[in-house]
Amino acid sequence: DAGVTQSPTHLIKTRGQQVTLRCSPKSGHDTVSWYQQALGQGPQFIFQYYEEEERQRGNFPDRFSGHQFPNYSSELNVNALLLGDSALYLCASSPRGRGVQYFGPGTRLLVL
Amino acid sequence: AQTVTQSQPEMSVQEAETVTLSCTYDTSENNYYLFWYKQPPSRQMILVIRQEAYKQQNATENRFSVNFQKAAKSFSLKISDSQLGDTAMYFCAFMKHWRGGGSNYKLTFGKGTLLTVNP
Repeated sequence: DAGVTQSPTHLIKTRGQQVTLRCSPKSGHDTVSWYQQALGQGPQFIFQYYEEEERQRGNFPDRFSGHQFPNYSSELNVNALLLGDSALYLCASSPRGRGVQYFGPGTRLLVL
Repeated sequence: AQTVTQSQPEMSVQEAETVTLSCTYDTSENNYYLFWYKQPPSRQMILVIRQEAYKQQNATENRFSVNFQKAAKSFSLKISDSQLGDTAMYFCAFMKHWRGGGSNYKLTFGKGTLLTVNP
């Protein structure tokens, strides 16, 4: 049984560009959450998707947007990249109604 | 808003010994979950243990156990018989208890404790 998968593993972009990160949840999970983890910090919640809708959002600007597909996979899009967007982006999935989240390996984004 | 505090940025322990990592949290909620996650240098965040606030019994998972003190809002992790593979960043996290169907609340993390197990 595959766990949560994310792609790509690493990404280098320049300021002002746009990026799309992808996440496939664990089998049987229907809720996907995205987190940003700066170096040496704990993850910060970006937003959560359930039934193809954004259900909760953290304190991130509108440059951060997402989408969930009918197969429960999800994308995180970041527009107009800033140097401060350099971080590890983590995706977590949850089974329906359960108070637990399982994380993928993350995508390391470097903005130059 | 909930906050999670881990006051020990770094800790070290000798192989086979026992170590306790501290975590305190602040919330006005009565029902919630608490978690310890482990993030080794390979960076995959792994769930170590989960505690439901309404359960008085402390959770245990093999060599890992917690000391949950709800009134004190304290949630420490004890690792027994430490192994080299336990070397990692450990994060304490909080989640409100979801009463509706589907979905769940966000995780709020502490800043982490870097644990090094020495041979």
